[in-house]
Amino acid sequence: AQRVTQPEKLLSVFKGAPVELKCNYSYSGSPELFWYVQYSRQRLQLLLRHISRESIKGFTADLNKGETSFHLKKPFAQEEDSAMYYCALSHSNTGKLIFGQGTTLQVKP
Amino acid sequence: EPEVTQTPSHQVTQMGQEVILRCVPISNHLYFYWYRQILGQKVEFLVSFYNNEISEKSEIFDDQFSVERPDGSNFTLKIRSTKLEDSAMYFCASGRTEYSNQPQHFGDGTRLSIL
Repeated sequence: AQRVTQPEKLLSVFKGAPVELKCNYSYSGSPELFWYVQYSRQRLQLLLRHISRESIKGFTADLNKGETSFHLKKPFAQEEDSAMYYCALSHSNTGKLIFGQGTTLQVKP
Repeated sequence: EPEVTQTPSHQVTQMGQEVILRCVPISNHLYFYWYRQILGQKVEFLVSFYNNEISEKSEIFDDQFSVERPDGSNFTLKIRSTKLEDSAMYFCASGRTEYSNQPQHFGDGTRLSIL
């Protein structure tokens, strides 16, 4: 069964500290993974996707097929990074997204 | 930048009543989706729609639910006889293709409250 797991509901760090938001997945084929972010009172927005290997707002995520993980990392957190972060897996030929539970990142000054 | 728009932002309905949630996807997108998020839970896929028909639906999407694209621009989700457990945030999304190189864009959501 396809599943995305984000083990932490809340991650609280101080500004300037490194951040790692964990995501593990279960998928039988070749996964396509994404991170979506939802800032307060805003819509879900795509942050990054594994196929493009890009860094957005200082965030990176590497797909580790051996560990079935796609953790989101940033070396130095900023207060404006405070938001809800969702890891998602794209499944099947319809493109539906399977989401994890979400992790709230709280960056304290 | 074009956006997916959803109306209303908040809908309050009596249990047993029909409700229609509306979405206007981005104009050159071909794939349309509804998701829902019950308070405190994760975002769950409901249905995908392409070429004027449902391409995939989840177990949640039972006979009480239906979708249509009545006029080529709006994409609606209808719940025929609402139940208390239908209370949730409903998100519409659209994409140019089903492939991840053309990711889905989400609307702001409609908060549905069933009394």
